[in-house]
Amino acid sequence: QSALTQPASVSGSPGQSITISCTGTSSDVGGYNYVSWHQQHPGKAPKLMIYEVRNRPSGVPDRFSGSKSGNTASLTISGLQAEDEADYYCSSYTSTSAELFGGGTKLTVL
Amino acid sequence: QVHLQESGPGLVKPSETLSLTCTVSGGSISNYFWSWIRQPAGKGLEWIGRIYSSGSTNYNPSLKSRVTMSVDTSKNQFSLRLSSVTAADTAVYYCAKYSSGGPYYWGQGTLVTVSS
Repeated sequence: QSALTQPASVSGSPGQSITISCTGTSSDVGGYNYVSWHQQHPGKAPKLMIYEVRNRPSGVPDRFSGSKSGNTASLTISGLQAEDEADYYCSSYTSTSAELFGGGTKLTVL
Repeated sequence: QVHLQESGPGLVKPSETLSLTCTVSGGSISNYFWSWIRQPAGKGLEWIGRIYSSGSTNYNPSLKSRVTMSVDTSKNQFSLRLSSVTAADTAVYYCAKYSSGGPYYWGQGTLVTVSS
């Protein structure tokens, strides 16, 4: 299985909003509402930011939101802050009972 | 809140078997799915597989022939064995708890280097 497709990098200024896309197929992203988004700062373990497409775990700011349309899921961060600069990975359950990750997107806060 | 801690050798020789254990604290290992995920330096995340507390497993097709996962509910631990390793298996290995359809809680990760 090929990795889910994410842009390699996105950037935005503090206070702005950015959106990261995650494109798969009907056998993964499009077929299930089990899409997650994970934030990873350099040298640290990933941290769950969004699960089941649009739900935020306790403690995650409501600046982070998720959505899905067809085979593409999206993570939107509004009111960008310097601390949001990190790598972001999407993941999805698949029709073969596997988990598929995206290639990762580096977010730069200008 | 659940805490996961990976442990195992940091250095493995080529062609040998990599063995890691994840110890779960702050909650029972029973009735949940648990996973191993790895990340080579400077690269993205790769799902290795998932195990349920009953012992049923799903593996990444690209690694399936070399992967074995097991669970020990009495110790609240689950384990990974990856055989016939090469330099390409050098990575940070994470264990994770599944909830709500995906990796929910992550361990801090452990670096495993394959080298003679």
